[in-house]
Amino acid sequence: GAGVSQSPSNKVTEKGKDVELRCDPISGHTALYWYRQSLGQGLEFLIYFQGNSAPDKSGLPSDRFSAERTGGSVSTLTIQRTQQEDSAVYLCASSRGLVYGYTFGSGTRLTVV
Amino acid sequence: GQQVMQIPQYQHVQEGEDFTTYCNSSTTLSNIQWYKQRPGGHPVFLIQLVKSGEVKKQKRLTFQFGEAKKNSSLHITATQTTDVGTYFCAVQSGAGSYQLTFGKGTKLSVIP
Repeated sequence: GAGVSQSPSNKVTEKGKDVELRCDPISGHTALYWYRQSLGQGLEFLIYFQGNSAPDKSGLPSDRFSAERTGGSVSTLTIQRTQQEDSAVYLCASSRGLVYGYTFGSGTRLTVV
Repeated sequence: GQQVMQIPQYQHVQEGEDFTTYCNSSTTLSNIQWYKQRPGGHPVFLIQLVKSGEVKKQKRLTFQFGEAKKNSSLHITATQTTDVGTYFCAVQSGAGSYQLTFGKGTKLSVIP
């Protein structure tokens, strides 16, 4: 597609439930990133996929968080047993090379109640 | 990994005034990127600086990379209400890394 697509745009979930967030990157972009942004805060790195290499999971805050990227394209970020502190905007970005910068999606606003 | 300090955290200016945000690192950077995030929006890539002392312009925006490649600035001349948003600098998290570490951003408010 023309841009990075994320779904859902908004998600309200009860504490303890699992959620899945989806990211559809720009076709041909080999790198895919997940960041999260709490209200009024900066961007916190979560995970990074590059081609067929093993993902860099160093930013995942706990083992409740996981992500996969199927076929080098669509990615899903899963949060198990959600907690209130997981409430944030989850941003996905893709890139065809660092010099071109990241193209971000519009994000998924997750609210855990 | 690399860290950057971005200042100021907030800036309120009268429309027509100039605005500058700064990014500083304690270590030499290979490059630096700048992004703009409008209120309620997502970050949008503005530019990448690579060379020591590099200066790039985009209309009223001027981007500079320090001679020592440890700092960078974004200057907006004669701000407009369309410039409102948060400006982030971003640096590679490590040598050869494709992951970016973002500064905490400078939130710009423009008073019409």
